[in-house]
Amino acid sequence: DIQMTQSPSSLSASVGDRVTITCQASRDINTFLNWFQQKPGKAPTLLIYAASKLETGVPSRFRGGGSGTDFTLSINSLQPEDFATYFCQQYDNFPLTFGGGTKVEIK
Amino acid sequence: EVQLVESGGELVQPGGSLRLSCAASGFPFSSYWMHWVRQTPGKGLVWVSRIKPDGSSTTYADSVKGRFTISRDNTENTLYLQMNSLRGDDTAVYYCAAGGDSPDHWGQGTLVTVSS
Repeated sequence: DIQMTQSPSSLSASVGDRVTITCQASRDINTFLNWFQQKPGKAPTLLIYAASKLETGVPSRFRGGGSGTDFTLSINSLQPEDFATYFCQQYDNFPLTFGGGTKVEIK
Repeated sequence: EVQLVESGGELVQPGGSLRLSCAASGFPFSSYWMHWVRQTPGKGLVWVSRIKPDGSSTTYADSVKGRFTISRDNTENTLYLQMNSLRGDDTAVYYCAAGGDSPDHWGQGTLVTVSS
């Protein structure tokens, strides 16, 4: 199975900050990577697919990058509604696997 | 708008069975791969199974292979997960999701608790 390692597991930031989350795959997954956002008690929602493509309706302050084994999710100018948990997920190979999540909290 | 509504989760004893359902609307259900994914505080998000749009092909995680069966009824726009020989570590919120190779759009989930 492909292991997905996210860091940090949590971070504190202020409204208006820029934050970056990293995700590392245990082997090359090309750009077969999604980023999801999850708020408490809710289902994950897709933000980014194919490593860097913005899902319809997602604000442009979200940006994904990377290929191979190393990926990033950046949020420019953090907004109050962005405080949530973020997960990466690979779909290069089955079983699909997820990162452990990064909780973005208000400083 | 994609809408997925899971049901069927409840408290069940170890060794018991349960069938989850997922009612789909707002998109051409019969054209989409469908997935089940589960989530626990301890293990996070774990992909469980997927089924081809026409139901002719299925894939399972090793942890559920031989115990769980995914199926679909394209005339009723409904996805199912039959879960047998349930164990404590199957306790989780179960989500159905629509997509292709990956689960892109998710329902709100249904809680399955396996305990005596």
